[in-house]
Amino acid sequence: DGGITQSPKYLFRKEGQNVTLSCEQNLNHDAMYWYRQDPGQGLRLIYYSQIVNDFQKGDIAEGYSVSREKKESFPLTVTSAQKNPTAFYLCASSPRGRQIGTQYFGPGTRLLVL
Amino acid sequence: AQKVTQAQTEISVVEKEDVTLDCVYETRDTTYYLFWYKQPPSGELVFLIRRNSFDEQNEISGRYSWNFQKSTSSFNFTITASQVVDSAVYFCALIGNADMRFGAGTRLTVKP
Repeated sequence: DGGITQSPKYLFRKEGQNVTLSCEQNLNHDAMYWYRQDPGQGLRLIYYSQIVNDFQKGDIAEGYSVSREKKESFPLTVTSAQKNPTAFYLCASSPRGRQIGTQYFGPGTRLLVL
Repeated sequence: AQKVTQAQTEISVVEKEDVTLDCVYETRDTTYYLFWYKQPPSGELVFLIRRNSFDEQNEISGRYSWNFQKSTSSFNFTITASQVVDSAVYFCALIGNADMRFGAGTRLTVKP
């Protein structure tokens, strides 16, 4: 079945540690996105990528990094520079340019700090 | 600047009641798209509908209906004869020439 997978479902980070969240899609979508969701709030864009080997910062990119080496994959690294990483992270993809394509979401990864 | 406002933070209804979720948006773009997503307790956002700025026709899909009014910059969502399975957080979103903007969401609780 086509879809977006995210792993792990839960992730625990120790102070000063970098962690990587996985996002894979087999929908043949061009664009991929990472959002952060805090309790009681909407989604905020961290990074997005419209094509392989290219990505752009969103509203809250500080403390995060991404790569887009393959069309299907868009991993997000939460670095030690991100001082408040506890949140729910959602990956999405869209079939056309970011401005008009409907975004489809993965199941999310919940990141907790130990 | 683009902005989406969902003024209703939480709504609670009893099963079979009708409920309307409000969405008001701001944009200077002439071409834009509006969306509604459902986020059940599992967390995954489920796409419900997309509307472009040139199509003001209301849409109905089963128990769901949407009312788009450019004159008031609103894109409201109505659930008819609500069911317990409708309990979720609902997000309205807008995309124009910038990145997609989401409202803060409305938590709907449908009690049996």
